Amino acid sequence: QVQLQESGPGLVKPSETLSLTCTVSGGSISFFYWSWIRQPPETGLEWIGYISDSGSTDYNPSLKSRVTISVDTSKNLFSLKLRSVTAADTAVYYCARSTTGGATMDYWGQGSLVTVSS
Amino acid sequence: DIQMTQSPSSLSASVGDRVTITCRASQSISSYLNWYQQKPGKAPKLLIYAASSLQSGVPSRFSGSGSGTDFTLTISTLQPEDFATYYCQQSYSIPRTFGQGTKVEIK
Repeated sequence: QVQLQESGPGLVKPSETLSLTCTVSGGSISFFYWSWIRQPPETGLEWIGYISDSGSTDYNPSLKSRVTISVDTSKNLFSLKLRSVTAADTAVYYCARSTTGGATMDYWGQGSLVTVSS
Repeated sequence: DIQMTQSPSSLSASVGDRVTITCRASQSISSYLNWYQQKPGKAPKLLIYAASSLQSGVPSRFSGSGSGTDFTLTISTLQPEDFATYYCQQSYSIPRTFGQGTKVEIK
């Protein structure tokens, strides 16, 4: 059974960079796509972007200028960096395994709450 | 971006009821439509992909239908564990977008 676990700081200061890692266990990171999705408090879901095992990426245009997703196949993990954060970036961040092009998210991490505040 | 609109935003139902949730896309997305269930404090769970295909392990009381712009998720006989929020998501184009959610509450 594939399991995903997000990790990273729960508090980030405004204008700084949010960094999260998703560690994949119970299966290889190869041959799949891997996505990040976020959910602000009491709000719906927003797709951030995906990366393939070979490193190809695509991002939500609304975040593209601030986002980088990377993968480390040797460690079976992938990561999210979101630069120049504001309070509007406060959310639960989820990592997920995806089908081609990040189309369908079939396994999800439990989520990591990141609060942007000074 | 393709806008996904769900209706209703919330509904109250009783155990044993048949429940239908609607999702409308702002343009045709063929059958590139997924449904997720989310319970409080938990990650979303994939229920239906490609509009009508049941994800492995999901009870058969869940079903999906539709194509083009109009889609439905049906729970044939509502069970206590089905009280949750349901989201549709289009997988036709980037960015992937979700509906605003439908909360199914106990009557």
